Amino acid sequence: EAGVTQFPSHSVIEKGQTVTLRCDPISGHDNLYWYRRVMGKEIKFLLHFVKESKQDESGMPNNRFLAERTGGTYSTLKVQPAELEDSGVYFCASSQDRSSQQFFGPGTRLTVL
Amino acid sequence: AQSVTQLDSQVPVFEEAPVELRCNYSSSVSVYLFWYVQYPNQGLQLLLKYLSGSTLVKGINGFEAEFNKSQTSFHLMKPSVHISDTAEYFCAVSRSGGYNKLIFGAGTRLAVHP
Repeated sequence: EAGVTQFPSHSVIEKGQTVTLRCDPISGHDNLYWYRRVMGKEIKFLLHFVKESKQDESGMPNNRFLAERTGGTYSTLKVQPAELEDSGVYFCASSQDRSSQQFFGPGTRLTVL
Repeated sequence: AQSVTQLDSQVPVFEEAPVELRCNYSSSVSVYLFWYVQYPNQGLQLLLKYLSGSTLVKGINGFEAEFNKSQTSFHLMKPSVHISDTAEYFCAVSRSGGYNKLIFGAGTRLAVHP
């Protein structure tokens, strides 16, 4: 069984550009989470989908970030326009239900110059 | 709200020595506790978790952790480390019950030297 996959693994963009990160959860996992780790600090929760619905987006830093999960399968996280402080590693995780183990992807390292 | 403090940002240790990675948490509600490990260029992998029951939890790769409710701690231990244990370790909590948004500590880099 394939694990959680994320694309791209690395992205380097200039300030003001747009970047879209993609996450493919484990097949059958209705719950999908986005997290972010900035500058070696703690990993912080961004948002949580159940199928295609946003259950909790309390961790989204501002309206430059837009997450979608069309059809309840893969998810995208768009940053537009990117700022220097958005640099970090973006992790995606999925779980079968709300109380079961989360499985993490390898992350996308975003560098904004 | 919950918070997690990992008391050591880096822990150097010699191979075959014991190690303890410290984690303290704060929460006004009951929590579940987790330790995750991240090897270079890989995603986070669950080492072990405490949901309820015995306070000594055994995980993968010979790691174990002890939940201490009175001290609000969940320290990770291994009696004899290997070079391959070199990685970053994250302590995390979530509210017990249905919803499991994870709150992480800042991580501890374990460096095992020969």
